[in-house]
Amino acid sequence: VQLQESGPALVKPSQTLSLTCSVSGGSIGTGAYYWSWIRQLPGKGLEWIGFIYYVGSTYYNPSLQSRLIISIDTSKNQFSLRLNSVTAADTAMYYCASYDKGFEDWGQGTLVTVSS
Amino acid sequence: EIVLTQSPGTVSLSPGERATLSCRASQSISSSYLAWYQQRPGQAPRLLIYGSSNRAPGIPDRFSGSGSGTDFSLTITRLEPEDFAVYYCQQYRTSPPGATFGQGTKLEIK
Repeated sequence: VQLQESGPALVKPSQTLSLTCSVSGGSIGTGAYYWSWIRQLPGKGLEWIGFIYYVGSTYYNPSLQSRLIISIDTSKNQFSLRLNSVTAADTAMYYCASYDKGFEDWGQGTLVTVSS
Repeated sequence: EIVLTQSPGTVSLSPGERATLSCRASQSISSSYLAWYQQRPGQAPRLLIYGSSNRAPGIPDRFSGSGSGTDFSLTITRLEPEDFAVYYCQQYRTSPPGATFGQGTKLEIK
């Protein structure tokens, strides 16, 4: 499958970061994958943000759980990320990916900067 | 939570040489849930190995993975110029579902 992230590149501190991942080349509603968000802080390693399954079950990184909502829209073949109360520490490249035996397919990533 | 520690942090080798990268887990994990990724500059990561030793589709056979329990490794024989990149290991947790990455090993040209 192919994945493509979209959303604002700049978010103000304390506001909500919202991203959408559009999936093509396969149906998001088949149950074949966990749909996932992963981020990479500038110059740093990879951090798993969370999973969503096609029925809407969600699993979050405990470090982000209190600020995070991941949702899915099977009619649009999309899933989304909302991270509230952002700070500069949330500035990162955000990737969406499909997970089966590993993170098999990835979007190209979208850089989100948190700044006033 | 399981912590994955990769070593070395950076390794310098020449094309044609062999690279062995290590990933150690803070507690025993199933080899079925250990994967390796390559990330070239400016690109998204790419799945190389899943289930500790299975190459993902399209991955050259110079890449191989091994290990069990807490110690896993990725070996690249006969390094090609395009292999110089950052490599991450990753483990999957089944209950509840979750994932953790190692901090990465940078493979640089000597």
